[in-house]
Amino acid sequence: SQKIEQNSEALNIQEGKTATLTCNYTNYSPAYLQWYRQDPGRGPVFLLLIRENEKEKRKERLKVTFDTTLKQSLFHITASQPADSATYLCALSNNAGNMLTFGGGTRLMVKP
Amino acid sequence: ETGVTQTPRHLVMGMTNKKSLKCEQHLGHNAMYWYKQSAKKPLELMFVYNFKEQTENNSVPSRFSPECPNSSHLFLHLHTLQPEDSALYLCASSPTGSGGATGELFFGEGSRLTVL
Repeated sequence: SQKIEQNSEALNIQEGKTATLTCNYTNYSPAYLQWYRQDPGRGPVFLLLIRENEKEKRKERLKVTFDTTLKQSLFHITASQPADSATYLCALSNNAGNMLTFGGGTRLMVKP
Repeated sequence: ETGVTQTPRHLVMGMTNKKSLKCEQHLGHNAMYWYKQSAKKPLELMFVYNFKEQTENNSVPSRFSPECPNSSHLFLHLHTLQPEDSALYLCASSPTGSGGATGELFFGEGSRLTVL
């Protein structure tokens, strides 16, 4: 069966360090992979999209990698700040590229 | 402000009540979605509307009834719900009906539903 796995345990890091979150998937061949940020009691907010033929994408302090061989995406936040504390969701398109499925998210806590 | 507005933000209802959730998007998008987010579970897609036509019903029980009168408005009518239906219900929109896969989904802030 298809699975999207994100670490359900919270990731605690010190301010200024690089946070790295992992998204692993099985039985998928996604054409697109997205990352969203969700704050408590609020809707998810889109951050980045990466295509299957792209290895890496950057946006300001954010970097996403997409390894279709390992079936894994890594999401990095450099020079992390307490304001980066939130839950981060990865989402994969289905094989037809017309539907999106979300992982359970990883909560990031950045301590001052 | 994401351009997607959901009302009410909080709703408490009994199992015999009938209520509705409303979603409105001001982005000119053609596709709208309902998602359910329960505690400690991933977002679950419920319904997809593309140009006012329902294109996806993800095996949702009939006690949830969607309505899309136009591309800007989406409703979720609720009837004889169960306590396990308590969750955050999120509305989203996207420019096209690609399920949001090829571009970002714009989410509302959600309606927190509690069924007693």
